[in-house]
Amino acid sequence: NAGVTQTPKFQVLKTGQSMTLQCAQDMNHEYMSWYRQDPGMGLRLIHYSVGAGITDQGEVPNGYNVSRSTTEDFPLRLLSAAPSQTSVYFCASRGRANSNQPQHFGDGTRLSIL
Amino acid sequence: AQSVTQLGSHVSVSEGALVLLRCNYSSSVPPYLFWYVQYPNQGLQLLLKYTSAATLVKGINGFEAEFKKSETSFHLTKPSAHMSDAAEYFCAVSDPNSGGYQKVTFGTGTKLQVIP
Repeated sequence: NAGVTQTPKFQVLKTGQSMTLQCAQDMNHEYMSWYRQDPGMGLRLIHYSVGAGITDQGEVPNGYNVSRSTTEDFPLRLLSAAPSQTSVYFCASRGRANSNQPQHFGDGTRLSIL
Repeated sequence: AQSVTQLGSHVSVSEGALVLLRCNYSSSVPPYLFWYVQYPNQGLQLLLKYTSAATLVKGINGFEAEFKKSETSFHLTKPSAHMSDAAEYFCAVSDPNSGGYQKVTFGTGTKLQVIP
């Protein structure tokens, strides 16, 4: 099992460019989420999904879009990149609604916006 | 609203010494609590979790944590630090009664340095 796979691992963008961060999981998990990790701030929830076709906003959704057309994939789109979006982005999945189940994380995408 | 406070963004210990990483939570109900570890250039991995069973929870790599309701704490300990324990550690909390997605709130992390 690959678990949660994120691509690309690294990316440099110019301000105003758009891009999609890919996330795929092979565990048939219903729940998926995107976090950003910034120094001294821990992980902050951007968007999440409780199943195909269902998404919702997290703590810091501005500037990002998501969609969930399949159980396996949960891409994150940056509409118009800004330097404030320089961060490490993690995708995570969880098998059940009940949050006593741990999340499975990808290895992250390190994004720099110039 | 739930929250997590990790005291000390950086902790240094000597190899073989006790590791103690502090976590205090705020929650209106008995929460679920987690400790995750992050090695450089990797995602987070679950160390252990508390889900209202035994208050002393044992995890991987010799780590354990004790849930203390009276102190609203869930500190992580390991009797003897190993060089391979150098990593960043995150405490996380969720409210089992929040319904729906049941969001997980992470602390700001503690970087553990192990000195030879």
